[in-house]
Amino acid sequence: DQQVKQNSPSLSVQEGRISILNCDYTNSMFDYFLWYKKYPAEGPTFLISISSIKDKNEDGRFTVFLNKSAKHLSLHIVPSQPGDSAVYFCAASAAGNTGKLIFGQGTTLQVKP
Amino acid sequence: DSGVTQTPKHLITATGQRVTLRCSPRSGDLSVYWYQQSLDQGLQFLIQYYNGEERAKGNILERFSAQQFPDLHSELNLSSLELGDSALYFCASSAAGTGGWGYTFGSGTRLTVV
Repeated sequence: DQQVKQNSPSLSVQEGRISILNCDYTNSMFDYFLWYKKYPAEGPTFLISISSIKDKNEDGRFTVFLNKSAKHLSLHIVPSQPGDSAVYFCAASAAGNTGKLIFGQGTTLQVKP
Repeated sequence: DSGVTQTPKHLITATGQRVTLRCSPRSGDLSVYWYQQSLDQGLQFLIQYYNGEERAKGNILERFSAQQFPDLHSELNLSSLELGDSALYFCASSAAGTGGWGYTFGSGTRLTVV
């Protein structure tokens, strides 16, 4: 049962344009969502997060949007840079006494110069 | 350097064998998490320890076990290895045991079972 899904395995965009990565979830108990970025031969690194009480969070070139009614979140990167080329994972957690995260399968972003 | 240290970085072993993966959390972090990433898959949660005690369990096989020691480092033991156990195993740590806030990952151990 895949509770967090990233339906696009890959995305290619031109440098300077917007990158939009999408993520869907099924569990309405999720109350916190995160995006991680992963380069080859490295562990995932935290990028940006959003609480379920918000619908938008912005950090520099990165913005995450949450649509709770659609159980959908997206990560916007503007402008995209070649250094943004990596695998992006969305993850979700539910309120409770653990720090367990449920991850999507990841989307490989390629930003072309 | 994320501050989370995983050893070894690579491990090649035969089916039926047993291996131990080691993780040292970031200084001050009390929680340790183990995740498995198989080919073309997302990260699958295995288990969480908080200050030496098991806090949460995911889809961890009975052949796998883990523990967190008094110095807070953790070990993941994989036994009776099968070809399908070949994967990247990540350890992460966080200061708190709850909340799911972004935590810090190590660079992983790549296990290859032949």
